[in-house]
Amino acid sequence: LAKTTQPISMDSYEGQEVNITCSHNNIATNDYITWYQQFPSQGPRFIIQGYKTKVTNEVASLFIPADRKSSTLSLPRVSLSDTAVYYCLVGERNAGNMLTFGGGTRLMVKP
Amino acid sequence: EAGVAQSPRYKIIEKRQSVAFWCNPISGHATLYWYQQILGQGPKLLIQFQNNGVVDDSQLPKDRFSAERLKGVDSTLKIQPAKLEDSAVYLCASSIMGGLAGGYEQYFGPGTRLTVT
Repeated sequence: LAKTTQPISMDSYEGQEVNITCSHNNIATNDYITWYQQFPSQGPRFIIQGYKTKVTNEVASLFIPADRKSSTLSLPRVSLSDTAVYYCLVGERNAGNMLTFGGGTRLMVKP
Repeated sequence: EAGVAQSPRYKIIEKRQSVAFWCNPISGHATLYWYQQILGQGPKLLIQFQNNGVVDDSQLPKDRFSAERLKGVDSTLKIQPAKLEDSAVYLCASSIMGGLAGGYEQYFGPGTRLTVT
């Protein structure tokens, strides 16, 4: 049962802006959308969290449309160290609001 | 601020043996999570504690997995008996609060890599 849908992989070059979109059609009314970053042999690390519209911090921006059925993580001017797997995390009404990681997007940043 | 501690970092056992993992969350964090991450997949939530009570364990294979958080601080996850398909990284995370709707940042430990042969 698909919880969230993300591209399996993306390639980019240093200095470019990267946008990763996550689909979450069954998001519950009170659920938040959270993005995590994971490097090999490490646990995931929080990047950003939002409920609606736009959220920005020193690392990334998160864009959420009015229907909240998708979200886009935007990484400005990526560097080689941004090569990692990025996960979109939401609660899901159909599964009893269970916290579920998506399959993740493997971002490869090239020089 | 100390992070989430887990031990051991690596464990190799034979199938049908037992194994236990330990987690010490960040001080003051009421919510503790155990995840299973199979190679190439995203973390899968096994169980969530709020203080020493279970919030959700619907994806925990209860015939072989058990977890406890007796004093609302440290937690242990046990597998008995282990199967080959249990080979994975077991991640512990904690958050200040953490209702089922999320809304609170989770801090993850480094994980325990389990290999079942």
